[in-house]
Amino acid sequence: SQQGEEDPQALSIQEGENATMNCSYKTSINNLQWYRQNSGRGLVHLILIRSNEREKHSGRLRVTLDTSKKSSSLLITASRAADTASYFCASVLTGRRALTFGSGTRLQVQP
Amino acid sequence: DGGITQSPKYLFRKEGQNVTLSCEQNLNHDAMYWYRQDPGQGLRLIYYSQIVNDFQKGDIAEGYSVSREKKESFPLTVTSAQKNPTAFYLCASSIRRESYEQYFGPGTRLTVT
Repeated sequence: SQQGEEDPQALSIQEGENATMNCSYKTSINNLQWYRQNSGRGLVHLILIRSNEREKHSGRLRVTLDTSKKSSSLLITASRAADTASYFCASVLTGRRALTFGSGTRLQVQP
Repeated sequence: DGGITQSPKYLFRKEGQNVTLSCEQNLNHDAMYWYRQDPGQGLRLIYYSQIVNDFQKGDIAEGYSVSREKKESFPLTVTSAQKNPTAFYLCASSIRRESYEQYFGPGTRLTVT
């Protein structure tokens, strides 16, 4: 099964609104990463949060991590049409040597 | 410009033919990865390599093969044994190991008919 499961699978909002995506995972992690993918393109790394961090900001992005609930959230504030993309969380499962990606949240921002 | 490149962007092959996808990076990264992505899905790991001349199978290695003869290059061969090869293939690299952020290439869309 997927290590990271994003919720919701799809999200449609108006420009200017905030978008929140959630990710749950099953095993302990060293860090959790969020990536963005525009349609038909490669992924772009957005932010990495370590297991001893609870919150991290980068521009309009805010990521939280709750290790007790094994969950993370990505908040995009004041969304723009250009934020339309799929967003994936990823982490390294215990005993593995590579990132495992969730199935992603498809975000549509209407202008 | 530093980065990771994949070629070609689109590839069409007949069933039963082997095909090799190219992945090159000039970021001086030690680790490289191949993923497969099916429509509307996440990424699944095919193979990864953390050092030259060494590589490990990922979750879906059957029907694929790789080599890592140079630090900069990690080609993926999709063999005729891969039962459903049509997919979007992504190559990535990271500075050292798996927990570091990964840099992705633009992807190759392979269609086998």
